[in-house]
Amino acid sequence: GAVVSQHPSRVICKSGTSVKIECRSLDFQATTMFWYRQFPKQSLMLMATSNEGSKATYEQGVEKDKFLINHASLTLSTLTVTSAHPEDSSFYICSASGRPWYEQYFGPGTRLTVT
Amino acid sequence: SQKIEQNSEALNIQEGKTATLTCNYTNYSPAYLQWYRQDPGRGPVFLLLIRENEKEKRKERLKVTFDTTLKQSLFHITASQPADSATYLCATYMNTGFQKLVFGTGTRLLVSP
Repeated sequence: GAVVSQHPSRVICKSGTSVKIECRSLDFQATTMFWYRQFPKQSLMLMATSNEGSKATYEQGVEKDKFLINHASLTLSTLTVTSAHPEDSSFYICSASGRPWYEQYFGPGTRLTVT
Repeated sequence: SQKIEQNSEALNIQEGKTATLTCNYTNYSPAYLQWYRQDPGRGPVFLLLIRENEKEKRKERLKVTFDTTLKQSLFHITASQPADSATYLCATYMNTGFQKLVFGTGTRLLVSP
């Protein structure tokens, strides 16, 4: 149990375009979903937290207009990187928690490359 | 400031030995401490969670200890195998009253045959 999927696993896009990443909890209802970013040889950095049906809470330094998060249901959250630039190239990972709240399960990650 | 730290140097051990990884935290007291495994290009995989009132937790070949006096957790893999080679991350929730999970930088473990 506790499986989280992400799609796509890899995406290459041109500078200035937008790309959407989906995160799904497959076998449990996720009351909260999280989006992280990880640069090479660094640890995961939390970008934002979202609860189903409400606006996401962004970490300091993360632009909410650039990284749009939608958590429309208890099993799906999306992250849209708008007007992507090469510096947005990174490994994006989502996680989900249900019950108990302190157990987070991570998706396999999405490698975004902006050319 | 609240910090969580792991030894950033890789740990190289021989197959069959016990690997011990360290996680230290400062300026806060987490109620839960978690260990994850991360393989290159993959998301973290949850391994074990230990609560502040637990001194030790085991799962198959894995053992985690939590010393709230030393502000340290140790993660042990007994009878290590080459397949255990990966980066191991510790993580805790900060005392912000919010579900913010903060990760250490991770320690890479290399198990040689």
